[in-house]
Amino acid sequence: GESVGLHLPTLSVQEGDNSIINCAYSNSASDYFIWYKQESGKGPQFIIDIRSNMDKRQGQRVTVLLNKTVKHLSLQIAATQPGDSAVYFCAALPSGYQKVTFGTGTKLQVIP
Amino acid sequence: SAVISQKPSRDICQRGTSLTIQCQVDSQVTMMFWYRQQPGQSLTLIATANQGSEATYESGFVIDKFPISRPNLTFSTLTVSNMSPEDSSIYLCSVRSLASGRSDTQYFGPGTRLTVL
Repeated sequence: GESVGLHLPTLSVQEGDNSIINCAYSNSASDYFIWYKQESGKGPQFIIDIRSNMDKRQGQRVTVLLNKTVKHLSLQIAATQPGDSAVYFCAALPSGYQKVTFGTGTKLQVIP
Repeated sequence: SAVISQKPSRDICQRGTSLTIQCQVDSQVTMMFWYRQQPGQSLTLIATANQGSEATYESGFVIDKFPISRPNLTFSTLTVSNMSPEDSSIYLCSVRSLASGRSDTQYFGPGTRLTVL
């Protein structure tokens, strides 16, 4: 299986600041990575993904960075808004492996 | 992306009864999964729903307790049998398609919030 862990269970950020959520994975064979956002009472929502042949990928206000050398993944949210308050999960998948396993999750709290 | 619906969205059940949760996807998908998420916890995979054959269960989950059906590529059900308060949780359907041998994104339904009294 895949061991995926997040460094901080809770992150508090001032509205308008940038947020950085970190994730470490253990399986060096992982080649596909996903970040999910889960708001209270809802299912996890896909945010952004990245494959192992990349080290950075940008979306709308979000950027994922991948450092395969140290097996580390991060999600950066620019100009954090109250609507960004949620739990964020990362997932790492080995090539061809079909089951996603999730880490503990980081709760992002945006302070108005 | 796939649009996934689940029924019911929530239910309150009595101990010893069973509840069947339905998952419907708007497109054909390769893989369907069922997860459980207890309050404040991460997601735990219960099983992979296989079309036309028995589901593949993860360690700690058995068919007698969580029977699963998947009659086609867009629909699956999960039954929580002989419920106890410990089964109170959110149950999530999840789907994934494989294209050209590459992993594809996995999507989740809205979840079913189950409370067992």
